[in-house]
Amino acid sequence: GQSLEQPSEVTAVEGAIVQINCTYQTSGFYGLSWYQQHDGGAPTFLSYNGLDGLEETGRFSSFLSRSDSYGYLLLQELQMKDSASYFCAVRPSLSGNTPLVFGKGTRLSVIA
Amino acid sequence: NAGVTQTPKFRVLKTGQSMTLLCAQDMNHEYMYWYRQDPGMGLRLIHYSVGEGTTAKGEVPDGYNVSRLKKQNFLLGLESAAPSQTSVYFCASSPPGGGLHTQYFGPGTRLTVL
Repeated sequence: GQSLEQPSEVTAVEGAIVQINCTYQTSGFYGLSWYQQHDGGAPTFLSYNGLDGLEETGRFSSFLSRSDSYGYLLLQELQMKDSASYFCAVRPSLSGNTPLVFGKGTRLSVIA
Repeated sequence: NAGVTQTPKFRVLKTGQSMTLLCAQDMNHEYMYWYRQDPGMGLRLIHYSVGEGTTAKGEVPDGYNVSRLKKQNFLLGLESAAPSQTSVYFCASSPPGGGLHTQYFGPGTRLTVL
């Protein structure tokens, strides 16, 4: 089977940096994605790592280490609007049609 | 482009009633998905489709049926609703190939079964 582990809750101060970790166990691997979901809203795509290393998109960065089955999402210069749930997701490389498997999500609370 | 739309946005059912949730996308995506989201459980895949006329079971398919008669539409049916199906239902779509890791979600349908 497939499993993803991420912390259920994280709290950080406005203007600070926060890291949300994700470890996975899958029979195969075809990349790690991150999604953001505000309360009452729909998940939206943030970033994707297919290879080891860091991907940067503005204040958000995502890192992947395939040898450690580990990745993280880094949020810099936190703003109140970053308060949301963040989901990591993997596609097991069982076949080209295999859907994403999502973690249970990390609820980030940004406080003043 | 409207992206992914879902109908209805809210619905209350009584146990045993049936209903159909409609998902439509105007991005010409091949892949479509139905998820349910419950507190603390993340997104769980119910059924998905890799093209018109095809469907496949996901992680939690029991009690649901789906159809993909047209490429742009993906229907989720509940034949006999149960309180355990109270949830928020999200539809999503994605293009094939390199876009498989990027899913576009609809706004969700909040379903309560009494």
